[in-house]
Formats: sequence, structure tokens, C-alpha cells
Amino acid sequence: QTVVTQEPSLTVSPGGTVTLTCSSSTGAVTSGYYPNWFQQKPGQAPRALIFATNNKHSWTPARFSGSLLGDKAALTLSGVQPEDEAEYYCLLYYGGAQLWVFGGGTKLTVL
Amino acid sequence: EVQLVESGGGLIQPGGSLRLSCAASAFTVSSNYMSWVRQPPGTGLEWVSIIYSGDSTYYADSVKGRFTISRDTSKNTMYLQMNSLRVGDTAVYFCAGGRRSGNIFEYWGQGTLVTVSS
Repeated sequence: QTVVTQEPSLTVSPGGTVTLTCSSSTGAVTSGYYPNWFQQKPGQAPRALIFATNNKHSWTPARFSGSLLGDKAALTLSGVQPEDEAEYYCLLYYGGAQLWVFGGGTKLTVL
Repeated sequence: EVQLVESGGGLIQPGGSLRLSCAASAFTVSSNYMSWVRQPPGTGLEWVSIIYSGDSTYYADSVKGRFTISRDTSKNTMYLQMNSLRVGDTAVYFCAGGRRSGNIFEYWGQGTLVTVSS
């Protein structure tokens, strides 16, 4: 069974920088996994932030960026705002099995 | 503005069936990528199923053989037929859509709650 792993929780100070990562049990995450990142606040639907590793949607704030970091996908928030406190999920594509798999989510606290 | 609106959730007994709908506006269901994602209470997101623009369909192992994804061009609506429901299928079900390969989960609905319980 394919497992996608994220940090369960992270804490960052307002104005700070934090990097969330996303790893795969199958090995290194590459652009071929089309990493996606989503933000979800309590009681709301997920909101897409990043697609295909590092592409932003028109509504994605400039302080969010996606990348590959070593053998993982990464989401970096620079100049964190209080409203960035949320759960963040990554999503990877496994083409061989034609499956999409979410990570367990990272609860980001801004304190 | 793209809108996806789910409906059809509710309380159902184990072993029962339910059909969820996802109605789209400002977005053509038939020519784009459409998915279902679920979220059990208090836990994370789980991808359920996808239908590609060429009508290929794929499912998570947990629902394969029990759930069927489809779409109706005339109603601009996507469906999820759920059979042989289990307590573990209890979740909020979201539909998601996207126009480009690699950007398949761009737009999301607000979700509909399915509760499987006796």
C-alpha cells in the first residue's frame, strides 16, 4: 500500500518562513508525481494552492511556493500570516497504478 | 465563476446504496477532469475516484467494485453511485474538477455528508 507522509504538525511565528514536505513510500518524489498542495480550514472545503510541483493558481498568495527538495515535494510559506493557520495536504499521482494519494496532512499553527 | 455543488448525501444503513451528484456551472463536466474526494469525520482527505476527459475511470482500492463514477452531459453533472456501503464509508464527499492535465483538482465543491450507520 502506497503511503504519502507529511509532518503531522508545525509551528511558525508570524512573518516567519516554514517548509512543509511530502514524501512517498515508493521512493523519491519527482515532477512525474504532479505534486499538488491544498489548504483546508475548519468547516471548509479544501482550496487548491499549488499544482504540478510549483505552479500557482490565480488566487494563490505570492508567499506560497512549491518545489522539490531532495527526494520530497515541498511547500514553503515565506512571511507567514495569521490567516495561514490551517491544515495542509499534499497529493501525489501514481501513474503506474492510476491512483492519486493524499498525504495525512500537516496542521500549521501560527503562534 | 466556477461552482460545483454536491447533493445526495444522507443517512444510510450498511449494505445500502446512495447516489451523489455534483452539478457544475461555468464549467463543462463532460470535457474536463472530474474527481471525488472524501474526508471521514476528524481525519484527512482520501481520493476516491476520477473520470478523465476521455471517459477513463479509476478508483481507490477501498471502493473499487462498489462505487461507480459517471457524468451526464445534458445535465452538466457528475455522479458517484455507491453500493454495498460500509460504516467506514462515512465521510464528507467532495467533488473536484480541473481543465488541464496536472491541474485536475483546481475547483472544489462544499461537500455532502454520507453517514453509514444502523
